[in-house]
Amino acid sequence: QLQLQESGPGLVKPSETLSLTCTVSGGSISTDNYYWQWIRQPPGKGLEWIGSIYFSGSTYYNPSLESRVTISVDTSKNQFSLKLSSVTAADTAVYYCARCYVAAAPTYWGQGTLITVSS
Amino acid sequence: QSVLSQPPSASGTPGQRVTISCSGSSSNIGSKYVYWYQQLPGTAPKLLIYTNNQRPAGVPDRFSGSKSGTSASLAISGLRSEDEADYYCAAWDDSLSGPVFGGGTKLTVL
Repeated sequence: QLQLQESGPGLVKPSETLSLTCTVSGGSISTDNYYWQWIRQPPGKGLEWIGSIYFSGSTYYNPSLESRVTISVDTSKNQFSLKLSSVTAADTAVYYCARCYVAAAPTYWGQGTLITVSS
Repeated sequence: QSVLSQPPSASGTPGQRVTISCSGSSSNIGSKYVYWYQQLPGTAPKLLIYTNNQRPAGVPDRFSGSKSGTSASLAISGLRSEDEADYYCAAWDDSLSGPVFGGGTKLTVL
């Protein structure tokens, strides 16, 4: 059974860079036709797609966040990562990693990790 | 402002049938599969329906999905108290090159 697990610091200071890693188990991150996603959900609000990566390294970002987002993949560790720079309180959210088949919505989700931006 | 439109709330009594709508456009629902998720407080979204109307193993057949044009619906029959949750629709969007979501519908079982 595929499992995804987010990890990273729960608290980030304003203007700093948020860094998260998603570890994939029960399957290979290098599987054809599957894209690896970062999605977030501010407290009490809906879901927002941040961006995605293919195992080859190809990336796709939400235009609303593109200037601040970098997603990378480490196939040797079966992990992919998110960096979001210049964070503000508006970036406080539960951050999820997920897997999508090509041109489809997510079918597997991590449990999510709450990131709070505060000094 | 979510790309897909859902009613913010829905309600029903135990045993009733309720439907939740999801409206999109030609770049998402109109040309791609629709997915539905159930989210209980403090938990990750759980896949309820994939590719418009398929249920993953373990999802009761009380849950069903349908799609017509640029709209989709989730139906829950034989409503139970444990169905009280937030429900989200989603689809791939060709314009965004990523998945888009509805704003969520909070279902209350009266």
